[in-house]
Amino acid sequence: QVLLQESGPGLVKPSQTLSLTCTVSGDSFRGSGYYWNWIRQSPGKGLEWIAYIYHTGHAYYNPSLKSRLTLSIDTSVNQFFLSLSDVTAADTAVYYCARGGPELATLNRFDPWGQGILVTVSS
Amino acid sequence: QSALTQPASVSGSPGQSITISCTGTANDVGGYPLVSWYQQQPGKPPKLIIYEVSKRPSGVSHRFSGSKSGNTASLTISGLQTDDEADYHCCSYANRNNWIFGGGSKLTVL
Repeated sequence: QVLLQESGPGLVKPSQTLSLTCTVSGDSFRGSGYYWNWIRQSPGKGLEWIAYIYHTGHAYYNPSLKSRLTLSIDTSVNQFFLSLSDVTAADTAVYYCARGGPELATLNRFDPWGQGILVTVSS
Repeated sequence: QSALTQPASVSGSPGQSITISCTGTANDVGGYPLVSWYQQQPGKPPKLIIYEVSKRPSGVSHRFSGSKSGNTASLTISGLQTDDEADYHCCSYANRNNWIFGGGSKLTVL
């Protein structure tokens, strides 16, 4: 059974960088063929796809967030990472990591998801 | 890219069938057979219930079915049960390697 777990600070100050980690258990990045995603949900609102990363390190970002985003991956410890710079209150959301694929064409077969982590941007 | 359009709320009685729509454009829902649906219980992460318009993951009830016509995808839940009460979200591939969600629909089982 594949499990994903998000971790990181729950409070970030405006203009700072939000950094999150997703730890994956029960699956291996290398050669799995899946794509590893970040998705967020603002309070009381819908979901927003943020980005994906492949085990090779290739990442692709939502065009609306691309200028502030960096994804990375460490296959030796089965973790991937999100960095979102210059945050504002609009970035306050529950951030989820989720597995997608197993083909890029079917990326939005997001399953499973982590439990999510609420990140609040406030001074 | 704009979000897909879903009704904010839908309701039905136990045993009935309901349908939730998800409307996009020819650049997303209408252009690709790549719509997925998620069920989200309060305080829980979304759960995949339909992918590639009409496919069900193993373990998902046959009461859930998906379809698409033109720029609108639909999720139908038959034989409504009280524990179907949840938020439902659609998601579609959009042009230029982007994936967009709908605003979510709250299902109330009366």
